[in-house]
Amino acid sequence: SQTIHQWPATLVQPVGSPLSLECTVEGTSNPNLYWYRQAAGRGLQLLFYSVGIGQISSEVPQNLSASRPQDRQFILSSKKLLLSDSGFYLCAWSAPGPSMAYTFGSGTRLTVV
Amino acid sequence: AQSVTQPDIHITVSEGASLELRCNYSYGATPYLFWYVQSPGQGLQLLLKYFSGDTLVQGIKGFEAEFKRSQSSFNLRKPSVHWSDAAEYFCAVGDSNTGNQFYFGTGTSLTVIP
Repeated sequence: SQTIHQWPATLVQPVGSPLSLECTVEGTSNPNLYWYRQAAGRGLQLLFYSVGIGQISSEVPQNLSASRPQDRQFILSSKKLLLSDSGFYLCAWSAPGPSMAYTFGSGTRLTVV
Repeated sequence: AQSVTQPDIHITVSEGASLELRCNYSYGATPYLFWYVQSPGQGLQLLLKYFSGDTLVQGIKGFEAEFKRSQSSFNLRKPSVHWSDAAEYFCAVGDSNTGNQFYFGTGTSLTVIP
């Protein structure tokens, strides 16, 4: 069966420090991969999605970047964190196709101090 | 542009009472519709989905949703709420024009009182 792993679960980082959040999927190949951010009291904001290795689409200009070095690995990064980067980050995967439901990871709570 | 509206930010119901969470969508073609639930500090779990066919779909945990094309709605219902149903609920529409991007509503927070 397919599983999605996201880590770390929580992270406290100082302003200006770098960030690397990792997401991996097991049990499937060529998944679509997504990074979402959920700020307090707000809905889900799509940050990046990828339909294949090295293919990254950015939905919103951010202080963040994403990479997909391997088929089932999706990384969210920042060179210098801002206070506004705090939030709950969720990785998700789906099989290709518009009717395919997303499966979400358990999320990373990022606090920038 | 595609969009999803969940007009109720927060709902409080008594345990055992019925529940209906509203979802309206804006989409030019046949929509793919989903409901997710999020417990505090957790990821999102799929409750149910609608692709085509029967407009009343059954999901996990006793939830159901009805697709009404004329009203552009996909409301989530449960006949009798349990305390464990307290969570955040998100409606989403899949976009067939851009691959399978999802558009999520802003969520409805459900509180269940004894």
